[in-house]
Order: sequence, then structure tokens, then C-alpha cells
Amino acid sequence: DAKTTQPPSMDCAEGRAANLPCNHSTISGNEYVYWYRQIHSQGPQYIIHGLKNNETNEMASLIITEDRKSSTLILPHATLRDTAVYYCIVRRNAGNMLTFGGGTRLMVKP
Amino acid sequence: ETGVTQSPTHLIKTRGQQVTLRCSSQSGHNTVSWYQQALGQGPQFIFQYYREEENGRGNFPPRFSGLQFPNYSSELNVNALELDDSALYLCASSRSTGDYGYTFGSGTRLTVV
Repeated sequence: DAKTTQPPSMDCAEGRAANLPCNHSTISGNEYVYWYRQIHSQGPQYIIHGLKNNETNEMASLIITEDRKSSTLILPHATLRDTAVYYCIVRRNAGNMLTFGGGTRLMVKP
Repeated sequence: ETGVTQSPTHLIKTRGQQVTLRCSSQSGHNTVSWYQQALGQGPQFIFQYYREEENGRGNFPPRFSGLQFPNYSSELNVNALELDDSALYLCASSRSTGDYGYTFGSGTRLTVV
């Protein structure tokens, strides 16, 4: 599975949009981009995934560049409860494992 | 629907001992994966079980072993514990082996002294 690069930490003001970038320049054509987050003392939580089209659900939006070498997770109106470590993962959809990197520690501040 | 439950939540063991961690999968899920998360790092894949058989393994030695039962619950066994085995052990279940939506439990915090 392709490797991902994320900034180690980011801050965001409560109520503002949080934009979390991820670089996956070696992604293959059959690999999806997944986002999970891990709130302190809990297991990771699935957020969203996509192949090449932009995706949106009740939690977030995922923007994937046309060349698929990078993506951005958008939390449209961040709340204090969104403070967590966010993991960008690239995986074949039939794969049996998730390869977590270091993630981005997002701190939402009042 | 109930989520993934793990037991115990915390455990302290002595180096050289053996430990068994337990996981009940989410209702409707037939696949269970185990991950090890050291402090300050992302989770690392240990192995996955599907239909009571191991279905993929990460870079962990044979003293890490597992079982899956007919009701899809699972156990992780670690023999000859080492200090570096101290970590949060996470169980995740999914509807199939390649499913996108893994549901994780809150983990078992193992401390080896």
C-alpha cells in the first residue's frame, strides 16, 4: 500500500473549517484514500473514503486532486469534539489491513 | 446495534508471562483484525481472522497468535511477554475482509513490567 505524508499537527478555531492535507504521491490506480480519526482514549473511527471523485458525508468532505497524488479532508464547522489525531490511509479496497502513519493531531480551540 | 467490545480494559503483566485479550465483534460483522498501538504512534496491523482462519499477518513474531470463534468473537494471545509489548491493543471488526468501514473497540491497555 502507498505511503502517506501528513503534517504532524494543526490548529483550528471552533466553528471554522478544518482542512487536513495528505500527500500520497505513489498511489496506484486501484488504491482508495481513507480517513480515520482517533479521539483520545478511543479506537480509530472511520470518517470517509474515496477513489478519485470528491466525496461528502455527514461527517466530512474529501477532496482528491485530479492526479490523485494528494487529498484534503474538510471538517466544515469544527467543534471541540473534533480534537483528535486524523489518519490518512491509502489501501486497495480488497486489502485486509489498514496501514496507519503518524497522522495529524488536530487541536480545535475555542 | 452493539459495537466492538474488548476486555479487559487495562492489564498489568510481568515479563515472560502470557496474556489473552478478548474481543466481541459488532453484530453482523464476520471479520476481526487486531492492531498494536505503542504510545505516540499509529496502530500497527497484527493479523486478521475470517471464518476462524488467519487471513493476513503483519510483521509480528509467532508468539503473537489468535483465534476466532464461530460467533465471530476473537482472542489475541501473546506468549513470553517483553517490555516492548506494552501498548494499546485494538480490535476491529468488519462485514467482510475488504470492507471499507472497520469498527474499532476502545482497546486493552497492556503494561508489561
